[in-house]
Amino acid sequence: RKEVEQDPGPFNVPEGATVAFNCTYSNSASQSFFWYRQDCRKEPKLLMSVYSSGNEDGRFTAQLNRASQYISLLIRDSKLSDSATYLCVVRSSGTYKYIFGTGTRLKVLA
Amino acid sequence: DADVTQTPRNRITKTGKRIMLECSQTKGHDRMYWYRQDPGLGLQLIYYSFDVKDINKGEISDGYSVSRQAQAKFSLSLESAIPNQTALYFCATSDSRGTEAFFGQGTRLTVV
Repeated sequence: RKEVEQDPGPFNVPEGATVAFNCTYSNSASQSFFWYRQDCRKEPKLLMSVYSSGNEDGRFTAQLNRASQYISLLIRDSKLSDSATYLCVVRSSGTYKYIFGTGTRLKVLA
Repeated sequence: DADVTQTPRNRITKTGKRIMLECSQTKGHDRMYWYRQDPGLGLQLIYYSFDVKDINKGEISDGYSVSRQAQAKFSLSLESAIPNQTALYFCATSDSRGTEAFFGQGTRLTVV
C-alpha cells in the first residue's frame, strides 16, 4: 500500500463547478499536510497547508481528518486556470521527509 | 532569480555515462531533497540531507549518489546512467521547522 494515495482522475468539470479531492495516508505519525499544485511538468508549488481545524483560502478549502487519516481539498467556482494536477503531501514526524501522492488531474472546461 | 536553482534544465546523455545534476539555494534552508518524477508515479524521494554532514537514502537511491558540498549546494550523480533513469528530477529545500518544501524548476533527463 502506498503511503499517500490519491485518485489520479482526471476530473473534468465545467467552469463554475465545485470539485473535491480526497487523499488518504497510512502513517498515523504524520505531522504536517499540504496540497501542492503542479502545472504540466513544472515544479510543484504550495497551494495551501492543511491544519487540524480546517482552513480556507479564497475558493479553496482544506480539511484534515486524523481519525480516518485523510485530507481533502474543495475548490469552489472552478476557473479554467485551476486546470492542473493537485498533489497531496504528507510530512512524517521526526523524519522530515515529504511524501507525495501521485496527484489528481483536474481539467476545467469552458 | 529563483530561490532554488537546478542545472542543467535539460540533458540528453548516453547509457553508461556519468552525469551530475546540481542544485543551489538562496533560502538559507538546512534541508535539501532530490526527487524524481515519472508519469503516473508521482514524486519519489531519492536522497535527502539535513545538513552538510547528514545524508540519507530515500525510497529509490539505487544507481544514484549525492554530495552536499555546502549548506546551499546539493548535487545528484548518476554514476552510470541507464535508460530507466529517464525522468524529471526536482531538487527541494525546507527549513528546520519542516514547513513547506520549495522546489527548483526541474531537470529533464533523457538517457538514450
